[in-house]
Amino acid sequence: DADVTQTPRNRITKTGKRIMLECSQTKGHDRMYWYRQDPGLGLRLIYYSFDVKDINKGEISDGYSVSRQAQAKFSLSLESAIPNQTALYFCATSDSYREGEKLFFGSGTQLSVL
Amino acid sequence: KQEVTQIPAALSVPEGENLVLNCSFTDSAIYNLQWFRQDPGKGLTSLLLIQSSQREQTSGRLNASLDKSSGRSTLYIAASQPGDSATYLCAVRSSNTGKLIFGQGTTLQVKP
Repeated sequence: DADVTQTPRNRITKTGKRIMLECSQTKGHDRMYWYRQDPGLGLRLIYYSFDVKDINKGEISDGYSVSRQAQAKFSLSLESAIPNQTALYFCATSDSYREGEKLFFGSGTQLSVL
Repeated sequence: KQEVTQIPAALSVPEGENLVLNCSFTDSAIYNLQWFRQDPGKGLTSLLLIQSSQREQTSGRLNASLDKSSGRSTLYIAASQPGDSATYLCAVRSSNTGKLIFGQGTTLQVKP
């Protein structure tokens, strides 16, 4: 089983719909991140969480919200999806005490907003 | 604001060639630098991580170097193979904010 699991793997939705992307990890890491990847723009940080009670905005948080339900779970929500949120979304984890803060990624969720 | 640049954006080499991928960053206040590999439609796999106090890291045919003063890192791939074809990304973690900033990647094609 993967250490960082994202669900769903693919999602097609319509403009205005509420969407939740979920991420769970079995690595025991304290830090979790949400990134989006767009062709030509690379990976950009949406939100990050250094522990369950700590949530921080990244570069492009507008239109998104997150919830850290437990150390192992970090979900990303699009309250009202719009077409320019079509992208490949990645969840990642790292450990502030071990492995030198090496980042581990999930397999990604391809989201299409029509 | 930290900016990370990878040049070239794409590279094609014949099998067996040694090659170097480049990564430059604008702010030398970094905690570490990490190199990743991404296959099409897949997630990122960590290849090497260099702490700010280190100069290089090696794993098999891969060697990554770090020069903070010049804002540069290189990823050296020895004896390239078709299976090395992928996009390679570098990412810099700021020592001030803890954020990880990515370059846009270099897409490598190794031809048999």
